[in-house]
Amino acid sequence: QQQVKQSPQSLIVQKGGISIINCAYENTAFDYFPWYQQFPGKGPALLIAIRPDVSEKKEGRFTISFNKSAKQFSLHIMDSQPGDSATYFCAAIPQAGTALIFGKGTTLSVSS
Amino acid sequence: NAGVTQTPKFQVLKTGQSMTLQCAQDMNHNSMYWYRQDPGMGLRLIYYSASEGTTDKGEVPNGYNVSRLNKREFSLRLESAAPSQTSVYFCASSEVGGVLYYGYTFGSGTRLTVV
Repeated sequence: QQQVKQSPQSLIVQKGGISIINCAYENTAFDYFPWYQQFPGKGPALLIAIRPDVSEKKEGRFTISFNKSAKQFSLHIMDSQPGDSATYFCAAIPQAGTALIFGKGTTLSVSS
Repeated sequence: NAGVTQTPKFQVLKTGQSMTLQCAQDMNHNSMYWYRQDPGMGLRLIYYSASEGTTDKGEVPNGYNVSRLNKREFSLRLESAAPSQTSVYFCASSEVGGVLYYGYTFGSGTRLTVV
């Protein structure tokens, strides 16, 4: 079974700090790596995504770092805010025409 | 623009009962998906439909059937509900074009309890 392994399961960060969530994959054919954000009682929503030909992508306070040789990618949230408190999922897609495989999620709590 | 609409939002079933979860999208997307979310398990794919007229099994298809009724609608059916199917079910849609990938738009979920 193809997998995307996500860590940590939960994370507590002080307001203004940096939140870091890591994911690892095994299948070298994966070629699209999105991150989703989910608030309680809501469906997940796309946050940011990267393709393997790019090592880093930044959108506002959110950055994806991608290490193709290590088969790892991570989400960095700079200047974390209480409003960032949510569950974050990494994902990958094996090939066109199939479906995203999600990690198990990280629950982030940003304390004020 | 409603996006992805799921009905019902909540449901309680008795073991052995059947029901159909409905999903409709108004974004003219080609692909639709059903996931279930359980604590500590993330989102697991049940079935997906890459395009109208096609359906494929995902990671956890046992006990479920799907119908891609038309381009807009993708339903999930539980023929004989079991307590292990207690979960939150999410429908999603996306437009996939060649080597370009687009984000999934998720519905707000159906919270199903089987007693």
